[in-house]
Amino acid sequence: DAGVTQSPTHLIKTRGQQVTLRCSPKSGHDTVSWYQQALGQGPQFIFQYYEEEERQRGNFPDRFSGHQFPNYSSELNVNALLLGDSALYLCASSAQYGEWLRPGANVLTFGAGSRLTVL
Amino acid sequence: DAKTTQPNSMESNEEEPVHLPCNHSTISGTDYIHWYRQLPSQGPEYVIHGLTSNVNNRMASLAIAEDRKSSTLILHRATLRDAAVYYCILIIQGAQKLVFGQGTRLTINP
Repeated sequence: DAGVTQSPTHLIKTRGQQVTLRCSPKSGHDTVSWYQQALGQGPQFIFQYYEEEERQRGNFPDRFSGHQFPNYSSELNVNALLLGDSALYLCASSAQYGEWLRPGANVLTFGAGSRLTVL
Repeated sequence: DAKTTQPNSMESNEEEPVHLPCNHSTISGTDYIHWYRQLPSQGPEYVIHGLTSNVNNRMASLAIAEDRKSSTLILHRATLRDAAVYYCILIIQGAQKLVFGQGTRLTINP
């Protein structure tokens, strides 16, 4: 089982540019969430996708957008990059939405992340 | 989201038990207690979770206070590979996101 895979692992951009990060969920999972982790901080929830729709969103501006494809993979797009967007971007997958109603079913599997540096 | 309080850091020795505390005095009846850990240069990793009763798995044990206002993650025999940041998180049944705090940075001495 390949688990959650993310690409690229590292990338460097300049202010004002746009970036796209990619995520393939764990086999059998169809819900994907994205988190931002600044250096020395805990991850912060950006948004979650299920059935190709954004289901929940954290406190992030519209510059952050996403997409989920029919094969459950997902992309995170960030426009007009700021220095403060430099962070580790984590993708997490989980079982289908309905599974969350089963007690204890809400366990997430995380990828190793994409490290974005904005200069 | 209900909040948790954890010590910023803890230190222990290899092959000794480690008890990581977590306070969650505002926990509600539908909140599950989850623990994740993040090893250096990796994403968070699920460790264990529980609701009311103590739980054991191959990685750790979770002891939950009778009033559920605190819990303790127990690593029975720490190894150097257990050095990580440990996060205690409350999740409402059916919730779709994790709210991470600062976590506890665990250092294991050889």
